[in-house]
Amino acid sequence: QSALTQPASVSGSPGQSITISCTGTSSDVGAFNLVSWYQQHPGRAPKLIVFEDNKRPSGVSFRFSGSKSGNTASLTISGLQAEDEADYHCCSYGGSSTFRFGGGTKLTVL
Amino acid sequence: QVQLVESGGGLVQPGRSLRLSCTASGFTFSSSEMYWFRQAPGKGLEWVSVISHDGDRKFYADSVKGRFSISRDNSKNTLFLQLNTLKTDDAAVYYCAAPPPGERFYFANWGPGTRVTVSS
Repeated sequence: QSALTQPASVSGSPGQSITISCTGTSSDVGAFNLVSWYQQHPGRAPKLIVFEDNKRPSGVSFRFSGSKSGNTASLTISGLQAEDEADYHCCSYGGSSTFRFGGGTKLTVL
Repeated sequence: QVQLVESGGGLVQPGRSLRLSCTASGFTFSSSEMYWFRQAPGKGLEWVSVISHDGDRKFYADSVKGRFSISRDNSKNTLFLQLNTLKTDDAAVYYCAAPPPGERFYFANWGPGTRVTVSS
């Protein structure tokens, strides 16, 4: 049950767009349309922001979008705002009722 | 409004046991798969275990298989995680989570977490 690979950190200025990658394998990310993304502010529980690769839950800003190509999923945040500064975690179903997470990416809004 | 609240965390010595609970409200608990996740200090999230709505099917991460046991009491809307033979690597904030009603594979509802510290 290997972890997915995310960059440790990304940064951007207010109003810019950033993209966070999440690389897995043909047994997880590439096998299912079941990547989800979570935003986590310090000391808080994770919050779902993207599910099933590219769907947004009700109430989540349109500035958050998910995509996938092969074994790599991506989260793009457009029009960066100060409140977007947080940790972002990707998760993929790995088959046989298992799930794999990336190591998390810390987003800094400059 | 869905609410999940974990309890039972604390300081425990290596090799000892602990039982975590997660009390649910605001949704039909008995119809929902339930999950445990954990997050070690400064680390990413890790899936720990899942239990089917009726408790018949249980799955575990390799890192906890044989040491942790998930269970549920649908009459009390409560999920449990028994942590045995604890190691220092098990120190983390433990979260329970549920998918949206009728869904699987993603987690819209999380508790605030309960912290487990493993130290002599």
